[in-house]
Amino acid sequence: NAGVTQTPKFQVLKTGQSMTLQCAQDMNHNSMYWYRQDPGMGLRLIYYSASEGTTDKGEVPNGYNVSRLNKREFSLRLESAAPSQTSVYFCASSFSGWGTEAFFGQGTRLTVV
Amino acid sequence: QQQVKQSPQSLIVQKGGISIINCAYENTAFDYFPWYQQFPGKGPALLIAIRPDVSEKKEGRFTISFNKSAKQFSLHIMDSQPGDSATYFCAAPAFQGAQKLVFGQGTRLTINP
Repeated sequence: NAGVTQTPKFQVLKTGQSMTLQCAQDMNHNSMYWYRQDPGMGLRLIYYSASEGTTDKGEVPNGYNVSRLNKREFSLRLESAAPSQTSVYFCASSFSGWGTEAFFGQGTRLTVV
Repeated sequence: QQQVKQSPQSLIVQKGGISIINCAYENTAFDYFPWYQQFPGKGPALLIAIRPDVSEKKEGRFTISFNKSAKQFSLHIMDSQPGDSATYFCAAPAFQGAQKLVFGQGTRLTINP
């Protein structure tokens, strides 16, 4: 099983450019998440999708949009990249319900110059 | 929204020693507390989790101790090994019954041989 697959693994953007980070899971999970990881800040939730067709904001949603394309795929879009969005982005998925394990992808390292 | 405060930010332990990482949370109604382990270049992975109906949970060399009255929980790694060198995150539900997690700031653990 591939688990949670993120593309691309690395990306450099210029300020103002747009891009979409792709995420797909093959575990038949209902819930999917996007986190960003910054030094000393831990993992902060950007958006999540509890089930296909629903999305909700997390702690740091500004500057991002998401699309739950189907049960497998959950994409994160930066419409106009800013240097403050330089980070490592992780997609995760889990079964629905409280107290279930979240499975993470390997991350996308994004640099905005 | 729940906040989780983790300490220390970094920790160096000699091989064979005990590594201790602490987390404090705010709301005593929350009832699921996982620890995630992250190796360089990888996504976090669930290490061990506890529900507060027990004060301690042990899996191999890893133990979670839970103090509900103090609103704290700790990860103890006994007989620490160089392979345990990683970043560790504690987490808690964002609010009661929430599926999405709020993470601590992370602890970078280094085990010296």
